[in-house]
Amino acid sequence: DAGVIQSPRHEVTEMGQEVTLRCKPISGHNSLFWYRQTMMRGLELLIYFNNNVPIDDSGMPEDRFSAKMPNASFSTLKIQPSEPRDSAVYFCASRTGGVGGYTFGSGTRLTVV
Amino acid sequence: GDSVTQMEGPVTLSEEAFLTINCTYTATGYPSLFWYVQYPGEGLQLLLKATKADDKGSNKGFEATYRKETTSFHLEKGSVQVSDSAVYFCALATYNNNDMRFGAGTRLTVKP
Repeated sequence: DAGVIQSPRHEVTEMGQEVTLRCKPISGHNSLFWYRQTMMRGLELLIYFNNNVPIDDSGMPEDRFSAKMPNASFSTLKIQPSEPRDSAVYFCASRTGGVGGYTFGSGTRLTVV
Repeated sequence: GDSVTQMEGPVTLSEEAFLTINCTYTATGYPSLFWYVQYPGEGLQLLLKATKADDKGSNKGFEATYRKETTSFHLEKGSVQVSDSAVYFCALATYNNNDMRFGAGTRLTVKP
């Protein structure tokens, strides 16, 4: 099992550009989570999906952020337009049902200049 | 709502010292409790977990006991190594929540 796979590992973009982050969860995991990590705010849950359906997006900071999960093996987090304050490490995590622990990806470090 | 509170860092220890990182929780149900570790440049990794009161989770020399009477899940290790330097997160999850609640993280630095 390759674990949760995120791409790209690093992204540097200019303010105003569109950014798309990608995640492939572990096969068989039916829940997927997007987190943002910054020094100031720590680990923040942005949105999560159960069986490909968005359940809670209350953590999405603004309308500039959107997330999709078109199938069980792929999810995207899009920021349009990006701003310097979006600079952070974005993590994707997946899990099976119940209260099992999450498996995290290695993250995407986003820098908006 | 459900939450965890863990001791603020950073924590700096010498190699072979004893480690304790405190974690307390608030939950309306019966949570499962977790410790995650994040090494530099990596994602969070599950270190150990406990699913009911009095359970002890253990892994790689780390231990934590689920204490319902004190609503705590303190992380301990008898002799830390330089390679244990990382950020440690306490977390909880319940059947009522579809998400996991993480603490703020505690940065541990172990010096040789």
